[in-house]
Amino acid sequence: DVKVTQSSRYLVKRTGEKVFLECVQDMDHENMFWYRQDPGLGLRLIYFSYDVKMKEKGDIPEGYSVSREKKERFSLILESASTNQTSMYLCASSSIQGSTEAFFGQGTRLTVV
Amino acid sequence: AQSVTQLDSQVPVFEEAPVELRCNYSSSVSVYLFWYVQYPNQGLQLLLKYLSGSTLVKGINGFEAEFNKSQTSFHLRKPSVHISDTAEYFCAVIRLGGGADGLTFGKGTHLIIQP
Repeated sequence: DVKVTQSSRYLVKRTGEKVFLECVQDMDHENMFWYRQDPGLGLRLIYFSYDVKMKEKGDIPEGYSVSREKKERFSLILESASTNQTSMYLCASSSIQGSTEAFFGQGTRLTVV
Repeated sequence: AQSVTQLDSQVPVFEEAPVELRCNYSSSVSVYLFWYVQYPNQGLQLLLKYLSGSTLVKGINGFEAEFNKSQTSFHLRKPSVHISDTAEYFCAVIRLGGGADGLTFGKGTHLIIQP
């Protein structure tokens, strides 16, 4: 089974803190993604990466950065957390082969106070 | 660019009744289509996908969906729902060859099963 693992299920951070959300996949997938999920807005793409050290902005990159130093790991960084970044964060991965179906982690519910 | 519209944000239905969740998409190029389900406090799980071939696709948990190219729709159906089907359902598309771009999602439909 494909496994995408996010390091935390729940996080509470203070405004202004630097926050790291980690994601690891075990299927040797080339593509990895970070989405943000908010009620009534669905999933919105923050950043994606199609190779090690490569990254591309998604639809809502402001206030975020990413790091992909190894193929299996994709980190989302909130440089200075703000209350409007309180949300559910979902990591996903997919292969460049076939249907490009995405596999998702369990999500990290981040609360910024 | 692609876009996905899920026409209902919430669908209440009685247990053992049939249900249809509607999805329309817009794209200037050919796409693959997906339905995902999200149970409370969980990640997304693939229900089914349309890649090519038969326009009626069957997925897990008794769900099926029909691709209609002329109407650019991909509606999800189940003939008899169970209380355990209560969840958020997301329709998504990706352009052929666009795997690195990621899926484009609709805003979701909350399926509420009433006993």
